Order: sequence, then structure tokens, then C-alpha cells
Amino acid sequence: AQTVTQSQPEMSVQEAETVTLSCTYDTSESDYYLFWYKQPPSRQMILVIRQEAYKQQNATENRFSVNFQKAAKSFSLKISDSQLGDAAMYFCAYRSSFQGNQFYFGTGTSLTVIP
Amino acid sequence: DTGVSQDPRHKITKRGQNVTFRCDPISEHNRLYWYRQTLGQGPEFLTYFQNEAQLEKSRLLSDRFSAERPKGSFSTLEIQRTEQGDSAMYLCASSLIGAGGGEKLFFGSGTQLSVL
Repeated sequence: AQTVTQSQPEMSVQEAETVTLSCTYDTSESDYYLFWYKQPPSRQMILVIRQEAYKQQNATENRFSVNFQKAAKSFSLKISDSQLGDAAMYFCAYRSSFQGNQFYFGTGTSLTVIP
Repeated sequence: DTGVSQDPRHKITKRGQNVTFRCDPISEHNRLYWYRQTLGQGPEFLTYFQNEAQLEKSRLLSDRFSAERPKGSFSTLEIQRTEQGDSAMYLCASSLIGAGGGEKLFFGSGTQLSVL
């Protein structure tokens, strides 16, 4: 099974500053999807951003962007201009491109935003 | 689009009792997943359906767990003879396969189970 590793259990950032959350994964496949999900205290997981492995261009969604390094199997999330509402647990996830495969999640990074 | 809804939000039960959770996916979504999440961990896959067919079950899913998705709409997850180790949050997610552009999961708010 694929494994997803988030080595930072907790991170903090000053409001309006930039923070980067790390994620690495282990796979023998060449085609797959990577995701970052946010889980606020309300518990509902919300998709933040998605990257397709065959695309070299890093995905961006407003203040959120990723640094996808396929050879290194690294997929970090950068949050720019951090806002208080960004405080949450962030989960990195992997999914094979073959239909029928499950999503694999990391253990999460708890992000605190300091006013 | 009313989102994925789960019921109940919280469930407290005594060890040995049976419990059932319900998930209503986004209406046009054809795939439905159940995940379990314990404190400090990411969601762990339990099972998923495509329409009414249960296509995959995790080895984590003991025979005390059963899930159904009659008519390919809502789904239920039943745990029989609950144990304290079943205490966790049970998440449901749905997605639309075949729409192009890959699969995106949409999650409900979860059911928090406490087994006393």
C-alpha cells in the first residue's frame, strides 16, 4: 500500500505571513493524484488543492500553492498571506489514477495562525 | 448541492450494543466512501461503493462491520457488538467518477462514536 508521511505534527505562522507544510509519499506508480485537505474544528474535511502527477506545472488556488517534486516524491503546501481562518488540521492525500483505488491520507499537520 | 450529510453527529453507546450510522451523499455522486479517523490520525479507509455495488473493503473492517448502499443513494454503516476500540469519528465522503479531471472527495462532518 502507498504511504503518505507528514513529518510536522504542528506548525504555526504569524497572520499575513507565509507557511509551508511538508508531505512525502511512497509509490511505485507513475500516474496518480495528490491532494491537500483542510479539517477545521467543525470537522468537515474540505479540499484545498489537487495536483495531477503527469502535470509538471504546480497547482495554485488563490493563496494556496504546491511544490510538487515527482522524483523526490514530495508535495508541499504553501499558504501565503495566512489568515486566522486558515487555522486547521491539514492532511495530505494520495490516490492512484487507476479507478477503484482508495485515497491514502497522512497523519496531518495542525496549523496555528497567530494574530 | 446540499453537501454530504451524516447522521447522527454524535453517538454514545455501551460496549456490546449495535449502532448504525447514515450518510446521504451529494445527489449526483455515484461513489461513496466510509473512513474512520481516530485522534491525531488521518482518515483510514474502510469501504467504498460505486452506485449500489460495494467494490472494496479494507482488511481493517472486521466482520462486525457492515455497510450497505441500497439503490445507490444513501448508505448505512452498522457496527455490531461494539468494542471500546471502535470509538472514533466515522467519515463519509462522496465523489463523481466519470466526469473527467479525476476524482475529488467531498466529506460530511462525521459521526463521533464513543463506546463506554
